[in-house]
This record gives sequence, structure tokens and C-alpha cells, in this order.
Amino acid sequence: GAGVSQSPRYKVAKRGQDVALRCDPISGHVSLFWYQQALGQGPEFLTYFQNEAQLDKSGLPSDRFFAERPEGSVSTLKIQRTQQEDSAVYLCASSLVIVQGAYEQYFGPGTRLTVT
Amino acid sequence: AQRVTQPEKLLSVFKGAPVELKCNYSYSGSPELFWYVQYSRQRLQLLLRHISRESIKGFTADLNKGETSFHLKKPFAQEEDSAMYYCALLYNFNKFYFGSGTKLNVKP
Repeated sequence: GAGVSQSPRYKVAKRGQDVALRCDPISGHVSLFWYQQALGQGPEFLTYFQNEAQLDKSGLPSDRFFAERPEGSVSTLKIQRTQQEDSAVYLCASSLVIVQGAYEQYFGPGTRLTVT
Repeated sequence: AQRVTQPEKLLSVFKGAPVELKCNYSYSGSPELFWYVQYSRQRLQLLLRHISRESIKGFTADLNKGETSFHLKKPFAQEEDSAMYYCALLYNFNKFYFGSGTKLNVKP
């Protein structure tokens, strides 16, 4: 079956513009994660959903960042009034279960956001 | 605070040579550690996790709590091992901390 998909794959936004990034997880996956990956760095945790509940949003860098997963499947990460420091690859990952020691996240291809 | 450190940005070895990718972590609890790999033009994928003590593609990693390390090793590197490798720590069942990654280049 299809893996995690993300759209758009590339997004160029002018500073101050709002953007919305979409993630389609693997069907049936309970957990969904968003990460931000700056150039030359590893992924940094942004937020986590279990079904439609956002259980952890401690990694969102500011109140300009907002994520939702209203029906427990597709998720959208929204960034308002984009700034240059928001330029990064945004990764989505999903996971079937949350069982200690059996954790496997499946990553999407990422959305590369460039703010000019 | 939780942290994962990968001190080498780039590691170059010749085919057939042993490889060790270093990973150190800071975490006060009992850690769950993982190695992820990203091959060129592919997405990030799980390579192995410490709790299952598995060997994938000839790679192994041993958790050393005394040294707070989880180094990735392979006795004989292959060209197809060339990729970015990320060490990751799972915190509180849902939050992953990733290192900054090491690019492994295996030369023919």
C-alpha cells in the first residue's frame, strides 16, 4: 500500500504569507508526528497526535504554528505570517501502535518550505 | 534535558573497512534509542532499535548506559551503506529527539 504522503512537496512563500502543509498518513495509523528539519540538522519534534487528539504540541516554535487532525487521519500544519527562519523541510510521520519497544515511525517525503 | 549528540558530520571509509558512527545521549530515565537512515533521494526510515537487539544489513548498536552511548557499527562497510544516519532517543512514549546526523561515505 501507499506510504505516508505529503503535499505540496515544495512551497515558496513570501514573508508574511500563510501556508498550509498536508500530511496523509498510512491508513489505520493511530499516531501522527510533525517535525521540522533545518538544513544540516536532524528532525526536530513539533507536535504529536493520537487519532484526532493533539497530545503534545510542546515543539511548536511559536503561536504562528498550528496543527490539526480533525478526523484522525489527514493532518494539516499551518504556519501564519511566515518568516525566513521558518524555511526548512517539514516531515510528517505516522505509526500504527504505541507499544514500548515496538515503535516504528514511517516518514513522508517532506515538504520543503522556502520563505523569501 | 534530553539530548542526542552525533559528533561527526561526515565519516569517510573505504569499502570493506569497519565503520563506527558515534551517538551519545543525555537522559535521566531508561532510554529507548534508535538509528534511522536516509539514503539518497529516499525518505527517512528506521534502521534498528536497541530494545530488539537486532542486526540489520550487518549493522549493530549496543547501548552503553555507563558511557551514555549507542554507537552504530558494521565490521565491513559496503558502498550501498553510503547515506545519512541519525540517532534518536524516544522520550515519554511520543517525543523523539534526533541527533544532527552523520553522513557516511563509503569509497570504492
